[in-house]
Amino acid sequence: GAGVSQSPSNKVTEKGKDVELRCDPISGHTALYWYRQSLGQGLEFLIYFQGNSAPDKSGLPSDRFSAERTGGSVSTLTIQRTQQEDSAVYLCASEVGGSYEQYFGPGTRLTVT
Amino acid sequence: RKEVEQDPGPFNVPEGATVAFNCTYSNSASQSFFWYRQDCRKEPKLLMSVYSSGNEDGRFTAQLNRASQYISLLIRDSKLSDSATYLCVANSGGYQKVTFGTGTKLQVIP
Repeated sequence: GAGVSQSPSNKVTEKGKDVELRCDPISGHTALYWYRQSLGQGLEFLIYFQGNSAPDKSGLPSDRFSAERTGGSVSTLTIQRTQQEDSAVYLCASEVGGSYEQYFGPGTRLTVT
Repeated sequence: RKEVEQDPGPFNVPEGATVAFNCTYSNSASQSFFWYRQDCRKEPKLLMSVYSSGNEDGRFTAQLNRASQYISLLIRDSKLSDSATYLCVANSGGYQKVTFGTGTKLQVIP
């Protein structure tokens, strides 16, 4: 079946602009995660959605970052007033709730110039 | 101390060799463990879960040692296509306690 998809695959933006990153999880997966991975670094947890529950935003690095998940499916991560340190690969993963087995999308490579 | 620690490598092994990686975790409450594989500039992909009794999937064997708080991944008969970074994951209860290691890089050479 279809896996997790993310768009765009690459995004180059100027410092100070806003960006929106999209994630389409695997159908039927109730849990969705956003992570950030900088070059040569590990995964940094950003935010978690589970069903209709309030998301856990504890990993968001600043108030410039926000995310929403509509209808328990598609999720959008928004970064306002981008900074150069926001440059990274943003990965989305979905999971059958409670299994902790995560399936990742191909990521969005964000470059802030 | 990091919650999940891995030797970054690289481990350079010849084709056909057996290689093993360990991953230590600091939280004794950790309950679920996984190995992921990440190819260069690609997303992590779930390789296998790690069960208390150990588990095997083809050339790959994963084991858990709770007393010493580590998990291991053994790869037999290494293939060139096994070259990747291997991430270990520990979960100490709930989604917010899922911690990824920074990975061990494996390079299988002809």
